[in-house]
This record gives sequence, structure tokens and C-alpha cells, in this order.
Amino acid sequence: QQQVKQSPQSLIVQKGGISIINCAYENTAFDYFPWYQQFPGKGPALLIAIRPDVSEKKEGRFTISFNKSAKQFSLHIMDSQPGDSATYFCAASSSTGANNLFFGTGTRLTVIP
Amino acid sequence: DGGITQSPKYLFRKEGQNVTLSCEQNLNHDAMYWYRQDPGQGLRLIYYSQIVNDFQKGDIAEGYSVSREKKESFPLTVTSAQKNPTAFYLCASSTRAGLGYTFGSGTRLTVV
Repeated sequence: QQQVKQSPQSLIVQKGGISIINCAYENTAFDYFPWYQQFPGKGPALLIAIRPDVSEKKEGRFTISFNKSAKQFSLHIMDSQPGDSATYFCAASSSTGANNLFFGTGTRLTVIP
Repeated sequence: DGGITQSPKYLFRKEGQNVTLSCEQNLNHDAMYWYRQDPGQGLRLIYYSQIVNDFQKGDIAEGYSVSREKKESFPLTVTSAQKNPTAFYLCASSTRAGLGYTFGSGTRLTVV
């Protein structure tokens, strides 16, 4: 059973456009929601993370929007660049559990010039 | 610089052989994890360890074994019981509270 559902599976965006990736979860005990960026042949690297006490967090061109009542969160990449082309994973964990991260299935983003 | 080192980067195994993947971290993290990555299936947890000499099965532990004799090291053995071992294996570590989750660069295992 997939604890975190992620969509779309793949995304193609023009340079300068906005990339949006969505995730949903069921476990209300989750209280930490990071996003990871992975380039081919490399391990995922933490991009940005949010806790449910805020509805939005922005770091540069990357923004997480969080809707606690809907149990959804999303990543927005503004002014998308070809260098942003990678696979993005959302994840969730609970501080009251074993702290394992549960990952979405990933979104392969391609930004075309 | 602190980080996680996985070795080797590429590994080839004959059917029926056991093989051990290395994972070492110098981040002083208590918790360590092994994930398997297959195309279209994201990251699936194999085993995790919160402290030395203790570890728990994840979602897909069958055919794998681990040990945690030192805080810095968490090797994964892929046994001959694992029927489809070809995959990209990722090791990660974090504080016991789940903070600072950091991944290694992975080992790509191919059965030949």
C-alpha cells in the first residue's frame, strides 16, 4: 500500500514555465514532508521540506504548498530551467513512529529549452 | 566533509551468489536505512536501524540481510533467496528523530 501518492509520473515544461508536482497522504500522524531531487545515477538530495504548522514554504524558485485538511502537498518550481530536469520525490514521516521516510513514486521532470 | 559512502558503484553478481553492499557514514547519525529503487516504483525500504546492534525489516526485507556492529557502518547482503535483485540500492542515514536524512550515491547491482 502506497503511503504517499504522487502525480504526475512525468512532466514536460518549457523553460521559464511553472512545474507543479502533487502528493497526497492518508496517515494523519505524518508531520514532516520533504521533497528530494535526484539526477540519473545519483542518490536523492533534499530540496525543501515543510512541517504542517505552515501552509507554504519558499526557497528560491522552489515552493511547497501544504493543505492539512485535504492531506495534500505540492511542489512548485517557478521559472523552470533545463538544469531542473531530474526526478522529484515527495516523502512523509512521523515523529511519533520510527521516523522512516515514506516516498512517493517519483516524477520525472523534463524542462525543454 | 561529512557524508555517506556507498561502494562499489557498480556490482555484478552471478545467480545463486550472495553479495554485500557497503555503506559508511561520518555524519554521527544514529539511524541508517537501505532502499531499493526500481523504475516507476520509487524508493522501497528494505531494512533500517535506529541504533547499533538493532535493526528492523522494512517493506521488502525478504532475500536481504543486514548487520549494524558499528554506528558508522550498515552493510546490506543480497542473498541468493532474492529472486529479482537487479536494482539500484540506496543507503541513507538520519538522526534518531529523522532529521538530516542524507542519501549515498547508490550501488547499481546487476545479476548476470
